[in-house]
Amino acid sequence: AQSVTQPDIHITVSEGASLELRCNYSYGATPYLFWYVQSPGQGLQLLLKYFSGDTLVQGIKGFEAEFKRSQSSFNLRKPSVHWSDAAEYFCAVGLNAGNNRKLIWGLGTSLAVNP
Amino acid sequence: NAGVTQTPKFQVLKTGQSMTLQCAQDMNHEYMSWYRQDPGMGLRLIHYSVGAGITDQGEVPNGYNVSRSTTEDFPLRLLSAAPSQTSVYFCASSKTRVVNTEAFFGQGTRLTVV
Repeated sequence: AQSVTQPDIHITVSEGASLELRCNYSYGATPYLFWYVQSPGQGLQLLLKYFSGDTLVQGIKGFEAEFKRSQSSFNLRKPSVHWSDAAEYFCAVGLNAGNNRKLIWGLGTSLAVNP
Repeated sequence: NAGVTQTPKFQVLKTGQSMTLQCAQDMNHEYMSWYRQDPGMGLRLIHYSVGAGITDQGEVPNGYNVSRSTTEDFPLRLLSAAPSQTSVYFCASSKTRVVNTEAFFGQGTRLTVV
């Protein structure tokens, strides 16, 4: 069965430090991969997505993610974190399933940023 | 640019009451869906719609009804609220049903059933 694992429930970094959020997936074929961010009291917003091609994808707000097939991973990175990046981050695997689009969500990683 | 609008933002219900959570999008999106978000369980799909007049069940449809009479609106009805339905509810829309199209989310409705 397909699944998404975000091993870190909560991460705290200092402002200006680099960030890496981990995401591992289980899926037989090459998946569609997404990272979404949820700021406090807000809905989810797409940061970036991977379908094919270059395994390093750039997103909004200075984020990037790298797809590694051999490790079944799609880790999110940012070289220098800003206080406004404090939020919940969700990794998801997408697949087309008949009449529906199926998104399998990780449980999220909560990011806190120290000044 | 409104995007996806959900109302209300907060709601407290008594067990057994019914209510409708409203969702509207102004992007002419074909696909709309409802999720609930619970601690430790992530996002779970309740119902979805691939166009006006077409709805179907997701992972956790029991206790909820939906309809899609227009492209813009996709209300979620709780028939007889139960404490297990205490959750944060998100409506989302996408241009098409194809999974590689971006999902746009509303700000959520925090529902408490007492």
